[in-house]
Amino acid sequence: TQLLEQSPQFLSIQEGENLTVYCNSSSVFSSLQWYRQEPGEGPVLLVTVVTGGEVKKLKRLTFQFGDARKDSSLHITAAQPGDTGLYLCAGAMGRRALTFGSGTRLQVQP
Amino acid sequence: NAGVTQTPKFRILKIGQSMTLQCTQDMNHNYMYWYRQDPGMGLKLIYYSVGAGITDKGEVPNGYNVSRSTTEDFPLRLELAAPSQTSVYFCASSYSTSSSGNTIYFGEGSWLTVV
Repeated sequence: TQLLEQSPQFLSIQEGENLTVYCNSSSVFSSLQWYRQEPGEGPVLLVTVVTGGEVKKLKRLTFQFGDARKDSSLHITAAQPGDTGLYLCAGAMGRRALTFGSGTRLQVQP
Repeated sequence: NAGVTQTPKFRILKIGQSMTLQCTQDMNHNYMYWYRQDPGMGLKLIYYSVGAGITDKGEVPNGYNVSRSTTEDFPLRLELAAPSQTSVYFCASSYSTSSSGNTIYFGEGSWLTVV
């Protein structure tokens, strides 16, 4: 059983389109992080959200933490081929190590 | 800037063989982790350590062992390799627990195939 469910699993879109990736759980997290992973490399942190309802923007990427701290979303505006990669959400609970979601593989076609 | 360094990058093992994946970090981080990532999937925690001399099991510890004799090093040992252990292994480290939003830094991964 996956503690963090991500949807969709795969997404193939054209350059310039908008998209949203979701990360859902029945558990409450003290913070939630989003990572991007490119082929042959380790995940790289994009953002950390810690407050329920928090919204953070990173250029064309908007991250939101749910009010109840059980879910999060990542919205990309005007996607570019450079956004292609595996997007992973990861939740922290107390002193435990991070729990990762199953990932969303994004392909942006030029 | 070294960060988290893993070796080897690639390895093919025969069933029943043993090997150690090495991991070292030069950021003086207390926390270190080993994750495995199966094709197209997220990361699953194998073992982690909150400091030298302290290790704890993660989600999928069976078939693996770790030690943390120094702050810098956190080797992962496979004693009797099985095909189910074919995966990409990532070592990672962080200054403190991730609940406070600390960044986790990952190595580049070790591709292991058991045949």
